[in-house]
Amino acid sequence: EAQVTQNPRYLITVTGKKLTVTCSQNMNHEYMSWYRQDPGLGLRQIYYSMNVEVTDKGDVPEGYKVSRKEKRNFPLILESPSPNQTSLYFCASSNGQVGYGYTFGSGTRLTVV
Amino acid sequence: AQSVTQPDIHITVSEGASLELRCNYSYGATPYLFWYVQSPGQGLQLLLKYFSGDTLVQGIKGFEAEFKRSQSSFNLRKPSVHWSDAAEYFCAVGDSGTYKYIFGTGTRLKVLA
Repeated sequence: EAQVTQNPRYLITVTGKKLTVTCSQNMNHEYMSWYRQDPGLGLRQIYYSMNVEVTDKGDVPEGYKVSRKEKRNFPLILESPSPNQTSLYFCASSNGQVGYGYTFGSGTRLTVV
Repeated sequence: AQSVTQPDIHITVSEGASLELRCNYSYGATPYLFWYVQSPGQGLQLLLKYFSGDTLVQGIKGFEAEFKRSQSSFNLRKPSVHWSDAAEYFCAVGDSGTYKYIFGTGTRLKVLA
């Protein structure tokens, strides 16, 4: 089944403790992206990657890092999480054609206390 | 700058009634337009998309949307709503120049039995 897999689904952590949210897709998609979803703000793009070793900032990149060492994986790293990064995070992938649209993961609900 | 506006934050309809969710966009060229649905606890699923051709597009789950260039709108419709349609709906525009997707803030649909 074609899918984007995120882990974990839920995570509670403390301020300053480094964490990684993993994302993997099995569709050989070139384009991958991370979004955060907050009430009233919709989805905001954090980082995206056009291909292996090619990443760029989205609209709200502060406090996040990403890497794209393999085509299928695109982990999101929070080096020193803060409470304002409490949010619902989505990974998404696409085949490189803007008209294709996204396939989304099921989301990761992160709480930073 | 490109933008997407969903004027209705919440909409409540009775089961069996018709539905129309509004979406207005701002984009310089011919846009790639999408509607996604997010069921509770799930990721976003692509309902339908439009780039060119027939301005009335059919999607999954019995949804359709009509592109109206003169009104910069891409409204989502369904003739008869089912209780399982209760979800949040997002309109998005894809920018072929930057390869970015801009999402609206979403409309939450409640269905009354």
